[in-house]
Amino acid sequence: GGIITQTPKFLIGQEGQKLTLKCQQNFNHDTMYWYRQDSGKGLRLIYYSITENDLQKGDLSEGYDASREKKSSFSLTVTSAQKNEMAVFLCASSINWGDEQYFGPGTRLTVL
Amino acid sequence: QQQVRQSPQSLTVWEGETAILNCSYEDSTFNYFPWYQQFPGEGPALLISISSVSDKKEDGRFTIFFNKREKKLSLHITDSQPGDSATYFCAAPTGGYKVVFGSGTRLLVSP
Repeated sequence: GGIITQTPKFLIGQEGQKLTLKCQQNFNHDTMYWYRQDSGKGLRLIYYSITENDLQKGDLSEGYDASREKKSSFSLTVTSAQKNEMAVFLCASSINWGDEQYFGPGTRLTVL
Repeated sequence: QQQVRQSPQSLTVWEGETAILNCSYEDSTFNYFPWYQQFPGEGPALLISISSVSDKKEDGRFTIFFNKREKKLSLHITDSQPGDSATYFCAAPTGGYKVVFGSGTRLLVSP
């Protein structure tokens, strides 16, 4: 078994602030993902990384940057926090793209 | 453009009843449908999945029924328990990196 850890669990920032969310997995999975989950909506893909040093944009990448520092870690940066992007950000990993995804517990972002 | 739709948005059933959650899709190339279960404060977790070559998949109290002609699926939870109270997402991998998720059904099982 393995686990995905997301830090912090709760993140409060000011409008216009640059904020970074971190994700670590010990599954030894190649592919990692960042999703945004808004209340009452499904998950929308922000960025994904097929392997270490790879970075691909999803449907919702504008306003975000990502970094795959090493195989086990994947960070997401909100470049300029806006009040309308308060949501839960979920990190996931899979053995390869298209395989079952394992999710972390999420980071809840609040923008003041 | 929403390609996977779920209904109802929320559902309340009594303990012991069967909960029926519905999912429909538009893209005929979808051929695999995982259902994820999400408890408050946690990330989604794979519950059960079905391939388009099957019309039924059963795992304990959870059963997926699949109608390929109508592009519809349903998740049946028999003998519902309060511990089944969660949000359920129907999803469809598009054949590449992308998995399209429905907006979810929030299930509440009352004791």
